[in-house]
Amino acid sequence: GQNIDQPTEMTATEGAIVQINCTYQTSGFNGLFWYQQHAGEAPTFLSYNVLDGLEEKGRFSSFLSRSKGYSYLLLKELQMKDSASYLCAVRDDYKLSFGAGTTVTVRA
Amino acid sequence: DAGITQSPRHKVTETGTPVTLRCHQTENHRYMYWYRQDPGHGLRLIHYSYGVKDTDKGEVSDGYSVSRSKTEDFLLTLESATSSQTSVYFCAIRKGLAGDTGELFFGEGSRLTVL
Repeated sequence: GQNIDQPTEMTATEGAIVQINCTYQTSGFNGLFWYQQHAGEAPTFLSYNVLDGLEEKGRFSSFLSRSKGYSYLLLKELQMKDSASYLCAVRDDYKLSFGAGTTVTVRA
Repeated sequence: DAGITQSPRHKVTETGTPVTLRCHQTENHRYMYWYRQDPGHGLRLIHYSYGVKDTDKGEVSDGYSVSRSKTEDFLLTLESATSSQTSVYFCAIRKGLAGDTGELFFGEGSRLTVL
C-alpha cells in the first residue's frame, strides 16, 4: 500500500520562503515528484528526485532522503502566482501515487 | 502541450445513468491513466493502460470500467453513476521516451456531477 502525507495548508508572505514536507511509506520506490496545481486547472510538473539530495530549479528546490522516506519542496522569493496546491507523488513501477496536496496561500 | 483532450469537460447526470468519459491523445504514447480528484483525498488512480487492450485496476476501481481499443483513446465508463462518483476526473499520459522518469502529463479534467 501507499501512504503519503503532507500538510493540508500553509500561508506565507510575498517574498518569503516556504518549505512543504512530504513523508511516504510505499511498497515500491522509483522516484518522487512534485506537481503544482492552480485552482480549476490540471497539475503541472515541478520537480523529480530519484537519488538522495537537493535538486534546484530556479526559485524551486526539492530534496529527497530515501532512507527517511522524506522529501521537501522549497519555494523561494514567493510570488502571488505561487498560490496553488502542491502535490507530492511517489512512483511505483507504472504509476504515481499522490498525497492529498498542500494548499499554499501567498499574502501581500 | 502533451496533446491530451478530455471530453466532456463538464457533465451533470442523474443517479443510475451510464456515463462515459473520453481521453484522446495525439502522440501515440503507450501509457494512459484515469485519476479522480476529491477534496481531502488528492488524486487517486482508477485504472490505467499500458497498451491497446491492456488495462489494470488502480486503488479506486470499483464502479468503473475502461476500454482502450486504439492507442489514442482511453475511455472511462461509469455503468450506473452514483452520487459518490461526483468528482473531477483527470486523464494522464506517460511519454515513455528515452530518459523517461515516469512523469505524467495531465489533461484539463472533466467535472462530473451526479444528482
